[in-house]
Amino acid sequence: DSGVTQTPKHLITATGQRVTLRCSPRSGDLSVYWYQQSLDQGLQFLIQYYNGEERAKGNILERFSAQQFPDLHSELNLSSLELGDSALYFCASSVAPDTQYFGPGTRLTVL
Amino acid sequence: GEDVEQSLFLSVREGDSSVINCTYTDSSSTYLYWYKQEPGAGLQLLTYIFSNMDMKQDQRLTVLLNKKDKHLSLRIADTQTGDSAIYFCAEKRNSGYALNFGKGTSLLVTP
Repeated sequence: DSGVTQTPKHLITATGQRVTLRCSPRSGDLSVYWYQQSLDQGLQFLIQYYNGEERAKGNILERFSAQQFPDLHSELNLSSLELGDSALYFCASSVAPDTQYFGPGTRLTVL
Repeated sequence: GEDVEQSLFLSVREGDSSVINCTYTDSSSTYLYWYKQEPGAGLQLLTYIFSNMDMKQDQRLTVLLNKKDKHLSLRIADTQTGDSAIYFCAEKRNSGYALNFGKGTSLLVTP
């Protein structure tokens, strides 16, 4: 158990819908990262927050957004969902930039 | 290209050593990582090596780094059936905090 929690574990929704994925980092970790894992693209970095502020952006679509709250938990919002958004979404946290600990992931299925 | 390269599949017999290889992209990468993913689970950080090191040993795991060739390997001694999983190599580039992952090597350990 890495200490990073993610909810929900599974999410099934329809095209065009909007969902929110939640992540609670390890106690004391200020940084939260979001990654998407799909069969064709592998693991892709989406976005990073540090202590409530956006720190870095990767291959994140405009339909996707994230935020980190004062209690350091983070939410990833995915809107206008398409079939291709079906993937595993991982959150990771770190206190030092050299080690990222991953949560168990949220499996999103878009029908 | 920008890809971290790994072979897709490796099969070994229980008790043998496994060697998983990886070629990374950025000579300025500061840290290199090995993560393990079991079916239906998140990414477990196995070990990492700082770029000024050649080797790191941690119980049954040995990491070798050849900076000249940008080659990283993970050796698992006395491989067990519980080691069957997907192993991901990742680099942290000097320019950022996100991890750049390979596509993963699926290790199958047979009795």
